[in-house]
Amino acid sequence: NAGVTQTPKFRILKIGQSMTLQCTQDMNHNYMYWYRQDPGMGLKLIYYSVGAGITDKGEVPNGYNVSRSTTEDFPLRLELAAPSQTSVYFCASTSGTPSTEAFFGQGTRLTVV
Amino acid sequence: GIQVEQSPPDLILQEGANSTLRCNFSDSVNNLQWFHQNPWGQLINLFYIPSGTKQNGRLSATTVATERYSLLYISSSQTTDSGVYFCAVAMDSSYKLIFGSGTRLLVRP
Repeated sequence: NAGVTQTPKFRILKIGQSMTLQCTQDMNHNYMYWYRQDPGMGLKLIYYSVGAGITDKGEVPNGYNVSRSTTEDFPLRLELAAPSQTSVYFCASTSGTPSTEAFFGQGTRLTVV
Repeated sequence: GIQVEQSPPDLILQEGANSTLRCNFSDSVNNLQWFHQNPWGQLINLFYIPSGTKQNGRLSATTVATERYSLLYISSSQTTDSGVYFCAVAMDSSYKLIFGSGTRLLVRP
């Protein structure tokens, strides 16, 4: 049981490039989330999904897009990367039923230069 | 939106000491979790505790939901306890977690 898997672990992008951060979970969780963590700060919610085909914005959605075509996968797309998007990105999932906890992936460290 | 405040922001301990970390939140919640972020950046689930008390080895946590706070107790601290401790809460049916700014703990040998 792998839990939440993120790829890649590290990436350097040039300004203006695009990329997709991959997230997959094997726990059959309906709810999935993307967070970013800037140095010395807590995590901020970018986008979330409560099921396949359903997505919604979090606190800091600008510059990002998501899709949720399957229960397992929740990719995060960065278009026209900017230095302000340099951060560590975490994907998480939960079943969405009461009394269940959220589980996080290992994170993707992204640097935009 | 809901506010999550953690205290203290920084804490330095000698190995073997005990400590209490606090998390205050501004509204009713349906989820509260404590995480440890280790020096490699990995987030480790410590407790799922929207109410009540739980213990796991040297760590324990108590949430008093009616008074909107949670406490994380670390006893007989070890150098491996160093890192950042986050409290995160959710308050609606999306279960999206809102994080506090964390308590940075350094345990010295």
